Amino acid sequence: AQTVTQSQPEMSVQEAETVTLSCTYDTSENNYYLFWYKQPPSRQMILVIRQEAYKQQNATENRFSVNFQKAAKSFSLKISDSQLGDTAMYFCAFRGWGYGGSQGNLIFGKGTKLSVKP
Amino acid sequence: SAVISQKPSRDICQRGTSLTIQCQVDSQVTMMFWYRQQPGQSLTLIATANQGSEATYESGFVIDKFPISRPNLTFSTLTVSNMSPEDSSIYLCSVEEIVAGPGETQYFGPGTRLLVL
Repeated sequence: AQTVTQSQPEMSVQEAETVTLSCTYDTSENNYYLFWYKQPPSRQMILVIRQEAYKQQNATENRFSVNFQKAAKSFSLKISDSQLGDTAMYFCAFRGWGYGGSQGNLIFGKGTKLSVKP
Repeated sequence: SAVISQKPSRDICQRGTSLTIQCQVDSQVTMMFWYRQQPGQSLTLIATANQGSEATYESGFVIDKFPISRPNLTFSTLTVSNMSPEDSSIYLCSVEEIVAGPGETQYFGPGTRLLVL
């Protein structure tokens, strides 16, 4: 069974600085998807970024980028120029390839609570 | 991405009662899911809501406790039955669309915060 591990329960960063959140996962599959979701105090789960495992190029979305190391099964999130609005819980998630059975299920890590300080 | 709404946004209930949570999507979606997020915890999948057939439940969740309906491609309900304080959680609905281009991505509703006394 797949597992997702986020080893940093809490992190803090000064506004305008850069922070990296760690995520590792375990799977025997070759194709899959990885995601980072953000959950601010409003509790709405918001998709931050996604990565397809077959793509070697790391995904980027504005100030958010990932470092995807397939062989090491590592998927870290880098937030550049941190803003106060980035304060939230960040969850790493794994999804298998395809549809049917449990392949479409998202498996979440325990989350990292990020605080951006002024 | 689809716009997802949930009702109610929050509720306080007495033990032994039941609450039905609604999830409405503004477009037809293929997959709908229900998650539970206990205080300070990550998300746990309760079940996949299948249109026109019985939901598929994950280990540890049963239909008698969490009956789910999905009468069409835009709507689903989750009922939390015979509630106890341990059911106090946030319940989230999510959807996944099969679209041309990047698919296989779940989008979440705003959640329902339930407190059982």
